[in-house]
Amino acid sequence: KQEVTQIPAALSVPEGENLVLNCSFTDSAIYNLQWFRQDPGKGLTSLLLIQSSQREQTSGRLNASLDKSSGRSTLYIAASQPGDSATYLCAVFPSGNTPLVFGKGTRLSVIA
Amino acid sequence: GAGVSQSPSNKVTEKGKDVELRCDPISGHTALYWYRQRLGQGLEFLIYFQGNSAPDKSGLPSDRFSAERTGESVSTLTIQRTQQEDSAVYLCASSLVGTALEAFFGQGTRLTVV
Repeated sequence: KQEVTQIPAALSVPEGENLVLNCSFTDSAIYNLQWFRQDPGKGLTSLLLIQSSQREQTSGRLNASLDKSSGRSTLYIAASQPGDSATYLCAVFPSGNTPLVFGKGTRLSVIA
Repeated sequence: GAGVSQSPSNKVTEKGKDVELRCDPISGHTALYWYRQRLGQGLEFLIYFQGNSAPDKSGLPSDRFSAERTGESVSTLTIQRTQQEDSAVYLCASSLVGTALEAFFGQGTRLTVV
């Protein structure tokens, strides 16, 4: 059974810092991996999708990498801003016709 | 539609009543997912639809919970005889299939059972 773990559970950084959020999964045979952002009381916003054949994806100040063989993904946020404060969730599709399996998230606070 | 739409956005109901939660997926998305998120907790999978069929219902917590999907479009999640532990945000997502498999979520329905 696929399990997804995110470390750390919470992180507080000063504005302007670069930071890395970690995600690990127990079964390396994944289909796709997604990173989401969730603001308090809101739904999930998709940030980046990495297909299983890809190594990384970039969107603005965000860069996500994928190492399937080691069962790891990282989300790199450059030059963090207070508006980046949110919970970041990592999720994998174990196959092309199964639902997403989520980690418990990393709660990020960026202090001005 | 432009995104996944869920209604109502908020629902307060009395213990023991039945509730229906609705999800309108992105047009053309064949896969649809329901998740539950209790306050301060992670996402809990409930049920997955491929077209109008539900190949995975393993997350439904009890027989009080049921869901259907019609026309490969709208889905309804029904909770009968609601209990206080059913209070949560219910999130719906939809996706295409194939290599472009990427889930898009609605804003959720916040259910409060009093």
